Amino acid sequence: DIVMTQSPDSLAVSLGERATINCKSSQSVLDSSNNKNYLAWYQQKPGQSPKLFIYWASTRESGVPDRFSGSGSGTDFTLTINGLQAEDVAVYYCQQYYSTVPLTFGGGTKVEIK
Amino acid sequence: QVQLQESGPGLVKPSQTLSLTCTVSGGSISSGGYYWGWIRQYPGKGLEWMGYIYFSGLTYYNPSLKSRVTISVDTSKNQISLRLSSVTAADTAVYYCARGQGFYFDSWGRGSLVTVSA
Repeated sequence: DIVMTQSPDSLAVSLGERATINCKSSQSVLDSSNNKNYLAWYQQKPGQSPKLFIYWASTRESGVPDRFSGSGSGTDFTLTINGLQAEDVAVYYCQQYYSTVPLTFGGGTKVEIK
Repeated sequence: QVQLQESGPGLVKPSQTLSLTCTVSGGSISSGGYYWGWIRQYPGKGLEWMGYIYFSGLTYYNPSLKSRVTISVDTSKNQISLRLSSVTAADTAVYYCARGQGFYFDSWGRGSLVTVSA
């Protein structure tokens, strides 16, 4: 199984500041044949189901604000929120889909307002 | 816009079988192009993929669940179903159905809390 490790477990950021979430996979999720990283990010607000935010490591889902960006390749990935807003308070998860059995998720990172 | 809604008992006794149904609206399962999956979330945070099914009936399961899990599709009702046998307290979780596109999940149901307790 590909193990996904997120860091930190939680972080508190001031409104308007940058939040950075890291996700590391135990093996590469980059397919060299198409140069795509099989990595997605989800946002889960309290009491809600997860919502797809980013796929292919850096492609924003329709409707996701452009202050959210995904980067990285191979085994190391980052979700950045530039200019944190109050509505961004949530838990963020990464998921690899390079190995489809099993699909695996990171443990989540909780973002709060400082 | 596709919507998914889970339904089923909220309480299951240990050793029994958990059964949930996901009703899809706003899109047809049989139109193809998507996988339909079940993911559960334990109290706290962790997400665990359980398995997914294609409209043809092709299924993939998480090996960690061994032979306990079965996912099926009823295209006439536009539903997918989950059965998890021999449940224990460790199976207490919120169960989500979700639509998979390229094996990431672009639409999720609201989730169904299932508690395993005598």
